[in-house]
Amino acid sequence: DTGVSQDPRHKITKRGQNVTFRCDPISEHNRLYWYRQTLGQGPEFLTYFQNEAQLEKSRLLSDRFSAERPKGSFSTLEIQRTEQGDSAMYLCASRIALTDTQYFGPGTRLTVL
Amino acid sequence: AQKVTQAQTEISVVEKEDVTLDCVYETRDTTYYLFWYKQPPSGELVFLIRRNSFDEQNEISGRYSWNFQKSTSSFNFTITASQVVDSAVYFCALSDGNNFNKFYFGSGTKLNVKP
Repeated sequence: DTGVSQDPRHKITKRGQNVTFRCDPISEHNRLYWYRQTLGQGPEFLTYFQNEAQLEKSRLLSDRFSAERPKGSFSTLEIQRTEQGDSAMYLCASRIALTDTQYFGPGTRLTVL
Repeated sequence: AQKVTQAQTEISVVEKEDVTLDCVYETRDTTYYLFWYKQPPSGELVFLIRRNSFDEQNEISGRYSWNFQKSTSSFNFTITASQVVDSAVYFCALSDGNNFNKFYFGSGTKLNVKP
């Protein structure tokens, strides 16, 4: 069983640039989650999808952030006009309906210079 | 509101020592789930265990054991005979009631196991 995969693993960008991350969940997992983890902290919930529908967004998700899951499979997280405060690890997780555990990918580490 | 506190920021032990990682949680829900994840340097969060609020039985899995006590709102994790490979950051997490779509994580405990 293939785990959750994320691409890229690392991204360095200059302030003001746009970046996009991709997450491929475990197949047949219809729930998909995005979290942000800053240095020395635990992951913080950003948003989640049930199939292609985005059902909840955290207040952490400013207008510069947008997430999509167009066909209910992979998801993308885009950050527009990046700021230094966006530097963090962005984690993706997935879960199958009627179960209780989220399984996490390796994350994308974003550094904004 | 849900909250998880892991007061131990970093712990260092020598291989073969036992070590306990503390987790204290706050919730108003009567039904909830608690989780432990391991995050090695590679970054991926690895699921270790889940426990629901109605099951206070302690669990043992090899060198790992978990002690869940509702009376003290704690869900502590013990590694017996620690090994260098146990070195990682360990996170305790709390579900949003019986809605598994939002997990609340503690700030993690970094465990250093020295040879």
